[in-house]
Amino acid sequence: EAGVAQSPRYKIIEKRQSVAFWCNPISGHATLYWYQQILGQGPKLLIQFQNNGVVDDSQLPKDRFSAERLKGVDSTLKIQPAKLEDSAVYLCASSLRFAGGPKGTQYFGPGTRLLVL
Amino acid sequence: GEDVEQSLFLSVREGDSSVINCTYTDSSSTYLYWYKQEPGAGLQLLTYIFSNMDMKQDQRLTVLLNKKDKHLSLRIADTQTGDSAIYFCAEKGLGSYIPTFGRGTSLIVHP
Repeated sequence: EAGVAQSPRYKIIEKRQSVAFWCNPISGHATLYWYQQILGQGPKLLIQFQNNGVVDDSQLPKDRFSAERLKGVDSTLKIQPAKLEDSAVYLCASSLRFAGGPKGTQYFGPGTRLLVL
Repeated sequence: GEDVEQSLFLSVREGDSSVINCTYTDSSSTYLYWYKQEPGAGLQLLTYIFSNMDMKQDQRLTVLLNKKDKHLSLRIADTQTGDSAIYFCAEKGLGSYIPTFGRGTSLIVHP
């Protein structure tokens, strides 16, 4: 079974530029998550989708971050304009469904490493 | 909010056992997870335990849960250099579908 795919793996941009990340979840997984992982910390949830609807985006800095999952499969996360403090690893994860039990277990992609100069 | 604490570093000799500890504050925790993150990679789910269990064993991995003390541990038997990574503890509270992650423990295995 293919895992969660993400691209690009690395991105270096200057502050105030825009950047977009792409995620393809495990086939059949209804729930998709975007996390931000700053160096030395655990992942922090940015946004969660159930199919193509947003379940939780309370931690998403909406003045600069946006995300969509138009057809309920792939998702893109965009930052516009980027700030120095956005330098982090952006992880995408998916789960079979939005649940507390095993079916809600999250599987992570390799992440996109963003460096903002 | 709820908190998950881990020590930042653990150094062990190859062939010894490693024990990575985690404490959490959420008394309603239902599922507790251990993830492994190798350099340049995402988080790989190692194992999880339901809160009504005390122990779970999977090959070289043993998870112990002390619900009274809100303490979770991951024991890796016969630690190898390939086990060098960051290990994240995470927990889900009752009614919460999003896990809370610790800051990770860097396991360093030396010859």
